[in-house]
Amino acid sequence: DTGVSQNPRHKITKRGQNVTFRCDPISEHNRLYWYRQTLGQGPEFLTYFQNEAQLEKSRLLSDRFSAERPKGSFSTLEIQRTEQGDSAMYLCASSSSQGQNSPLHFGNGTRLTVT
Amino acid sequence: AQKVTQAQTEISVVEKEDVTLDCVYETRDTTYYLFWYKQPPSGELVFLIRRNSFDEQNEISGRYSWNFQKSTSSFNFTITASQVVDSAVYFCALSSYGGATNKLIFGTGTLLAVQP
Repeated sequence: DTGVSQNPRHKITKRGQNVTFRCDPISEHNRLYWYRQTLGQGPEFLTYFQNEAQLEKSRLLSDRFSAERPKGSFSTLEIQRTEQGDSAMYLCASSSSQGQNSPLHFGNGTRLTVT
Repeated sequence: AQKVTQAQTEISVVEKEDVTLDCVYETRDTTYYLFWYKQPPSGELVFLIRRNSFDEQNEISGRYSWNFQKSTSSFNFTITASQVVDSAVYFCALSSYGGATNKLIFGTGTLLAVQP
């Protein structure tokens, strides 16, 4: 169990640019989540995958945001035409589908700064 | 709608003091799960405990203990004999039992500062 890995750790971009983040979940976990956390707030749910299927998207996920998990393993989160309001920590988590409500295991996050 | 409230924004204690972090939740579900996570300065959220709504028995793990009271919709977390390494932001979270997504609804967190 090497934990959930996210890359990059930090990303600074200019407004209007596109950015892509990557998440590698714990290998045996088939559930993957993306959350966003702004300063002084708790993480907010963005989207959820079970294997390669994206089963739920939050209303927070505007049309500029897209997430994929093509082979049911790693996932990417892309933000197009970034805005300053997109500046936040983007957290990825994974969990097992064994048992009820298995705990989510989080990565260290990608901190996005839009200038 | 589901909601988690952590009214304490920041708490500062001196090492070896006991400290309780409050968590109040709202849900229309009859069955649900509650969680506590720790977020140290490194940023990674660390799972501490999961409690299902069937079981109101309190739990103790070392210096940590949790008091779940369904009647008041509270799931409070106590650290006994706090240590500097306990300094972190602590989040309480809620999820529906057996929900399709198992997503967590988090509170806003409590920043705990333990002074030496």
